[in-house]
Amino acid sequence: NAGVMQNPRHLVRRRGQEARLRCSPMKGHSHVYWYRQLPEEGLKFMVYLQKENIIDESGMPKERFSAEFPKEGPSILRIQQVVRGDSAAYFCASSRQGLADTQYFGPGTRLTVL
Amino acid sequence: QQQVKQSPQSLIVQKGGISIINCAYENTAFDYFPWYQQFPGKGPALLIAIRPDVSEKKEGRFTISFNKSAKQFSLHIMDSQPGDSATYFCAADRGAQKLVFGQGTRLTINP
Repeated sequence: NAGVMQNPRHLVRRRGQEARLRCSPMKGHSHVYWYRQLPEEGLKFMVYLQKENIIDESGMPKERFSAEFPKEGPSILRIQQVVRGDSAAYFCASSRQGLADTQYFGPGTRLTVL
Repeated sequence: QQQVKQSPQSLIVQKGGISIINCAYENTAFDYFPWYQQFPGKGPALLIAIRPDVSEKKEGRFTISFNKSAKQFSLHIMDSQPGDSATYFCAADRGAQKLVFGQGTRLTINP
C-alpha cells in the first residue's frame, strides 16, 4: 500500500514566480492536510481539505496561498508570487476519516526561493 | 493557548540509556497526543499516540507517560540505539484534525 506521495521533492523558484505542490493521499484516504516546516522548527498547520471542500484554512496566509483537493487527482498547494520567506519544507498528510484519525505524512516538498 | 512546549531542544544519550523528552500544553480541549519521529530529509512518521483516558502507553521500547492534571506528557525510549537518532516531535489535537506540534527535540545516541 503506497504511502502519501508528494511531488516534486525539491522545487526552486525565483521571487515572483508561482509554486505548485502536489499531494496524493494514501489509498482509501479522503482527508488531506498541509503543514509548513521552517528550518529548525516544528510543523505548522496550514489547511485541511476533503474532496472538493476546504474544511479549515485557519493556518493559511491570507494572500498568495491557496489549496484545493478536486474530485479527481491530487491535492494542490499553490503559492503565487513567491518570496524568500516562503522557503520551507511543505508536508502533506492524509487520513481515512476526520475527527482525530491518525495522520500519515508524505516525504515533503522542499521549496527554495532565490 | 494553542501552543505545545517541548523540551529539551537537543539531547545526547549513550547507547543503552533512556531518552526522555517532555511536552506541556495549555488547552484542556486537546484529547489526542501523538509523537512523531523525523529523519533528515524525510516526513514525520507516527511513533506512538495516547488519549487522556490512560496514563501510560507502551509499544516496544517506546512509552508515553501522560499527566492530565499537570497537562504534561513525555516520551521515554528505553535501551536507546544509534538508529533512534532523529528529531522527535510531540503534538496535540482536539478532534479538529489540526495537529499542534512542539518545537522538536534533536536526539543523538552515541555508540
